[in-house]
Formats: sequence, C-alpha cells, structure tokens
Amino acid sequence: DAGITQSPRYKITETGRQVTLMCHQTWSHSYMFWYRQDLGHGLRLIYYSAAADITDKGEVPDGYVVSRSKTENFPLTLESATRSQTSVYFCASSTGKSYEQYFGPGTRLTVT
Amino acid sequence: GQQVMQIPQYQHVQEGEDFTTYCNSSTTLSNIQWYKQRPGGHPVFLIQLVKSGEVKKQKRLTFQFGEAKKNSSLHITATQTTDVGTYFCASSRAAGNKLTFGGGTRVLVKP
Repeated sequence: DAGITQSPRYKITETGRQVTLMCHQTWSHSYMFWYRQDLGHGLRLIYYSAAADITDKGEVPDGYVVSRSKTENFPLTLESATRSQTSVYFCASSTGKSYEQYFGPGTRLTVT
Repeated sequence: GQQVMQIPQYQHVQEGEDFTTYCNSSTTLSNIQWYKQRPGGHPVFLIQLVKSGEVKKQKRLTFQFGEAKKNSSLHITATQTTDVGTYFCASSRAAGNKLTFGGGTRVLVKP
C-alpha cells in the first residue's frame, strides 16, 4: 500500500519556467491539500480539493494552479516560477469524515 | 481568520526532563489536532481532541484541550532523543475541511 506519494522529491528550476508537482494517493480519500513550508511560516495552505473537479483556494494561492480530474491525483503547477516559491511542498489527503490529514513525503523545490 | 499560536517556538530540553508546549487561539476551536515532524520528514498525525477539557495520553505524551476550547497543550515526560522534531497544533472548522496550523515548536534534546 503506497499511501500518498509525491514526485519529484527534489527539483531545481529557473525563474519563469513552468513546473508541476505531482501528488498521488491510493486511499480514495475525498479531500486533498497542498501546503508549502518555509522557515518562520510553518505550514501554509495553497489549495485544496473536496472531490474530483472541486478545488478551492487556501491561504497563499497566488502563482499556483491546481486540477483534480481524478480522485487519486492532485497536481500543483507553478505557472511561472519565482524565487519566492522556493520551498518544501507537501501534499496531504483526508477522508472527509475526520479531521486527520495524511501527508506525503514532500517535494523540495529550488527556483534559481 | 482563525489563527492558532504556538509557544515556545524553540524548546531545548535535557534528556530525561519534562516539557510542555502550548497552542492558543483567540477564538473558540471546534477541535485540535497535533502533528509531529521529524527533521527532514513530513508531518505525522498524533492525536485529535474535540471535547472541552479533554485529556488524552500516548505513552509519555499527554494532550489536553482547554475548558474554553481556546487552548491546548502537549506535555512530554522523560524526554528522549526520539522526541526530537517539530510539533504542530492545527484546527479545522469542519470535518475534512482545511486546517490552520500553528507555527510549531521545534524540540531539541540534549543527551
């Protein structure tokens, strides 16, 4: 049982490039979330999804795009990467029946 | 919006000693969750509290939800090196909905 996986685990990209971070879960959880983690800011919600084809903005959505065509996948796209988007990105999922969230291993993104 | 504040931001603990970290909110919370993140790892769910005054224990960890549901605490007894990491509290307004995380308490253990 793979649970929740993220790819790539590490990514270096240049300013202005588009980059997509992948998230895949095998539990058929309804809810999926994207967070970024930066020193001094803890975990901040970027976008979340309550079900396939239903997404909504979180605390820091600017510069990011998400989609959810299938329940198990929730990709996060940086349309034109900026240095301020250098961060560790975590995907998480939840059943929707409880508050507990399960986190993926994270993607460390560096924008040069 | 809903905010949860954690104190202290850093906690240096001698191995074998006890310590407590706190999570505070200016508004009444419907629930509190605690997560632990080991260095280089991802947050892992520890516990959830939903009732006023609720106390739950996990081995050496004791979690408490305040009577007014505006604060919570995590107390660790006889700290071990395996307790190293950052402890986050988080709260959600509704089941399965988005969580608001506190800034975390980073715990360092001195052997």
